[in-house]
Amino acid sequence: EPEVTQTPSHQVTQMGQEVILRCVPISNHLYFYWYRQILGQKVEFLVSFYNNEISEKSEIFDDQFSVERPDGSNFTLKIRSTKLEDSAMYFCASSEGGRGNDGELFFGEGSRLTVL
Amino acid sequence: AQTVTQSQPEMSVQEAETVTLSCTYDTSESDYYLFWYKQPPSRQMILVIRQEAYKQQNATENRFSVNFQKAAKSFSLKISDSQLGDAAMYFCAYRSAYGDDKIIFGKGTRLHILP
Repeated sequence: EPEVTQTPSHQVTQMGQEVILRCVPISNHLYFYWYRQILGQKVEFLVSFYNNEISEKSEIFDDQFSVERPDGSNFTLKIRSTKLEDSAMYFCASSEGGRGNDGELFFGEGSRLTVL
Repeated sequence: AQTVTQSQPEMSVQEAETVTLSCTYDTSESDYYLFWYKQPPSRQMILVIRQEAYKQQNATENRFSVNFQKAAKSFSLKISDSQLGDAAMYFCAYRSAYGDDKIIFGKGTRLHILP
């Protein structure tokens, strides 16, 4: 069964360093998302991506964050200069269609980011 | 703005028994989707069940069913004949049919299954 895969599963980095989290969405999916979950808190929306551009982003997704789909298969989240408060589990998700269909998102297992 | 509230951080149920997880939400929209996602330990979130707001009939998927009360903005999940494999974090989630294209999650309920 096709699934969304994420790498790395866990990354530890120093504050101020750049981090790239990678995701391979399900191959025929067109909509891509990043969510994050700070320990003990809600899963929060970061950004949605469609047709090679950001379609929506949250207030969390500031200039420190960027996304791209560099090669037609990977979908990456870059954090330019990590802060302590960026420590969280980051989930990638994809869906075949937007809300016009049943709205289901398929999630990866997550990448845990620890900023020291 | 829409919100989703799960008031039970943790619950336990005896194997083979029935358990109900609570979820309430707040929205001014009339058309939307509601979901229950399951996240087993160290695994990705998977969709358990989905409800379209315009459908009055409660969704069911095998042992999983929902009690959707649109006027009360309540969306509880009932798990019948609980199994050890049901142990997981369960997230209630909301997605607008026409507005913002994002899923809004509750904080989750961790479900323990007692053998």
